Amino acid sequence: DGGITQSPKYLFRKEGQNVTLSCEQNLNHDAMYWYRQDPGQGLRLIYYSQIVNDFQKGDIAEGYSVSREKKESFPLTVTSAQKNPTAFYLCASSIEQGRNEKLFFGSGTQLSVL
Amino acid sequence: KQEVTQIPAALSVPEGENLVLNCSFTDSAIYNLQWFRQDPGKGLTSLLLIQSSQREQTSGRLNASLDKSSGRSTLYIAASQPGDSATYLCAVGGYGQNFVFGPGTRLSVLP
Repeated sequence: DGGITQSPKYLFRKEGQNVTLSCEQNLNHDAMYWYRQDPGQGLRLIYYSQIVNDFQKGDIAEGYSVSREKKESFPLTVTSAQKNPTAFYLCASSIEQGRNEKLFFGSGTQLSVL
Repeated sequence: KQEVTQIPAALSVPEGENLVLNCSFTDSAIYNLQWFRQDPGKGLTSLLLIQSSQREQTSGRLNASLDKSSGRSTLYIAASQPGDSATYLCAVGGYGQNFVFGPGTRLSVLP
């Protein structure tokens, strides 16, 4: 079945530590996205990528980094510079960015600080 | 900058009732609007995508309408069931821009 796989489901970060969230898709989509969800708030865009080896900052990119070395993969690193990382992180994909195509989401990663 | 709101934040209804969820946006120059469902601790599932040229879109018991001039969309759920309990989010897409999400409405359908 085609879809988006996020791992791990739960992740704990110690102070000063960088952690990486995995996102893999087999939908053959060009565009991939990372969102952050806090309780009672809408999703906020962290980074997005339209094609391999290219990505752009979203609304809240500070303290995060990404890479897009393969079409299928778009990992997100939460760096120690992100002072409030506790949130639910969602990865999504669409056929093409900018045409507002239907978004497909993974099942999310809950990140907490120890 | 586009802003999206959803009222109410939470809603409880008895099973079988028809209900309407609201989504408001500040910039009417939109390309399309998407409604999603989110179960607790899970990702989002797209329910309906309605283009700016459309007035409404239907899927089963769900009907989404769009009124760009007033900056509003509604999601109508007919004959609600306990399995409909979830958070419903709307997202507004601008021309060549990424979707902007509302905070969602948490729906509880009581047996």
